[in-house]
Amino acid sequence: DTAVSQTPKYLVTQMGNDKSIKCEQNLGHDTMYWYKQDSKKFLKIMFSYNNKELIINETVPNRFSPKSPDKAHLNLHINSLELGDSAVYFCASSPMILETQYFGPGTRLLVL
Amino acid sequence: QKEVEQNSGPLSVPEGAIASLNCTYSDRGSQSFFWYRQYSGKSPELIMSIYSNGDKEDGRFTAQLNKASQYVSLLIRDSQPSDSATYLCAVKSSGYSTLTFGKGTMLLVSP
Repeated sequence: DTAVSQTPKYLVTQMGNDKSIKCEQNLGHDTMYWYKQDSKKFLKIMFSYNNKELIINETVPNRFSPKSPDKAHLNLHINSLELGDSAVYFCASSPMILETQYFGPGTRLLVL
Repeated sequence: QKEVEQNSGPLSVPEGAIASLNCTYSDRGSQSFFWYRQYSGKSPELIMSIYSNGDKEDGRFTAQLNKASQYVSLLIRDSQPSDSATYLCAVKSSGYSTLTFGKGTMLLVSP
């Protein structure tokens, strides 16, 4: 059973399009995260939700909008995609804030 | 700005040797420290966590923490080619609700 899953695994799209990435965890964790890993492999936090409540919103363009319909799901919608958005986006979850985080397989986004 | 610094490498060691990976952090109030391993094209996976000064051993892996020096390290004994990966140091800083990751050190273990 996959603990943290993401869809899609790969996403190739044109500049200006809008796309969504979905994340689900079946670990019963309360906290979920979105990270961006750029071409230099630097892993940077974007958002964090605890029990569906936004607790971290880093300096991310407002073209990125997270949504958590319930504590097992955290989605990321991106408007007006730009070349610089090309990266791997990882979802993660943890039992509580500050506890060990478990990562999903990643979504590889390429904006052309 | 909370910072976590790692040498990007690559660190090359022969099979069977000890690999030593180092990490320094800027926030003296940091409380929790983690080492993740990331294979190329894969997601980070947790190897070790350490919360108090000293050593913590788990199989071939030993994490070492020195809060006074703001330094955490990971030793891999009897390195294997399958250990070749990027190792990410992550720190939970005081008053911050998530982890700050270093840029990772690439380890190459040659047969």
